Amino acid sequence: DAKTTQPTSMDCAEGRAANLPCNHSTISGNEYVYWYRQIHSQGPQYIIHGLKNNETNEMASLIITEDRKSSTLILPHATLRDTAVYYCIVRASNFGNEKLTFGTGTRLTIIP
Amino acid sequence: DAGVTQSPTHLIKTRGQQVTLRCSPKSGHDTVSWYQQALGQGPQFIFQYYEEEERQRGNFPDRFSGHQFPNYSSELNVNALLLGDSALYLCASSERGRVYNEQFFGPGTRLTVL
Repeated sequence: DAKTTQPTSMDCAEGRAANLPCNHSTISGNEYVYWYRQIHSQGPQYIIHGLKNNETNEMASLIITEDRKSSTLILPHATLRDTAVYYCIVRASNFGNEKLTFGTGTRLTIIP
Repeated sequence: DAGVTQSPTHLIKTRGQQVTLRCSPKSGHDTVSWYQQALGQGPQFIFQYYEEEERQRGNFPDRFSGHQFPNYSSELNVNALLLGDSALYLCASSERGRVYNEQFFGPGTRLTVL
């Protein structure tokens, strides 16, 4: 699985959009970008995933660059409950390789 | 609909002992993965079970073993505990056969080895 690079930490004001970047320059054609988050002392929570098109769900939007070497997770109106560690993970879609390879993620702090 | 459940919540053991952790997957899921999360680190993949067999394994010694039962629940066993095995152990379930099957995580078991 391709390696990802994320900033160690970020702050965002409550009510503003939080934009979390991720670099994955060695991503392969069959690898998806997944985002999970982990609120303190809880298990990771799936947020969103994408291959090459931008994706949006009730939690967030995922913007993937045309060359697929980087992506941005957008939380449109951040709340205090969005304070968490956010993990960007690249994983192939082929059966038999379903493990998630977590890095150290980005610690996002929402400021009141 | 119950999500992924794990037991116990917390556990304290001493070096050299053995421990068994348990996981029940989300309803409708047939695949269980186990992860170890040391303090300040991201989760590290231990292994995955499907159809009662280990299908994929991470870089963990064979002191770590597992089992999956016919009802899809799973156990993680760790023998000869070391201080370095102190961590949060996470179980994740998914539905095999889907191309992009997101994994749902349980709350974890906090293991402390003294």
